[in-house]
Amino acid sequence: DTAVSQTPKYLVTQMGNDKSIKCEQNLGHDTMYWYKQDSKKFLKIMFSYNNKELIINETVPNRFSPKSPDKAHLNLHINSLELGDSAVYFCASSRETMNTEAFFGQGTRLTVV
Amino acid sequence: AQSVSQHNHHVILSEAASLELGCNYSYGGTVNLFWYVQYPGQHLQLLLKYFSGDPLVKGIKGFEAEFIKSKFSFNLRKPSVQWSDTAEYFCAVNPRTNAGKSTFGDGTTLTVKP
Repeated sequence: DTAVSQTPKYLVTQMGNDKSIKCEQNLGHDTMYWYKQDSKKFLKIMFSYNNKELIINETVPNRFSPKSPDKAHLNLHINSLELGDSAVYFCASSRETMNTEAFFGQGTRLTVV
Repeated sequence: AQSVSQHNHHVILSEAASLELGCNYSYGGTVNLFWYVQYPGQHLQLLLKYFSGDPLVKGIKGFEAEFIKSKFSFNLRKPSVQWSDTAEYFCAVNPRTNAGKSTFGDGTTLTVKP
């Protein structure tokens, strides 16, 4: 069973479109994250949700809107896509305890053309 | 704010060579430390972690890391690398009291030549 699963794995879309990436975890974790990995492999946290509540919102354009319908799901919706949004987006989850590591999904490679 | 610095951006080794990747962090409080590995085209996987106790931590695939508190360092080592170790390696830090606030280093690309 896949612990953290994202769909789609690849997404190619035109500038200006709106798209969503879905993430689900079956680990029973309370906390979920979205990370962006750019072309230089630099990994940066975008959002973090704990029990459906937003707890981390880094400096991300408001075209990006996370939505957590329940604690097992954290979807990422992106409006008016721009070329610079092209990246790999990773979903992750962890337990809500002090000593814990993150479990990552396979990533979604978004290409905006 | 915390930060993580990985000094080696690209390391090229021959098989059987020894590996050491540097990681330094800055944060005023107690931290948890991690090394993640990302094989080509794959997601990040945990290699090893340090929370407390013995500062020498052993992980999967023969990797180990040593936490030196006085130097704010958590260097990754492996005595003898294999071609299959070719990957991107990320050091990460989060405050002990806020597991969600992870900061990753820029990553080190390791290429092992057969």
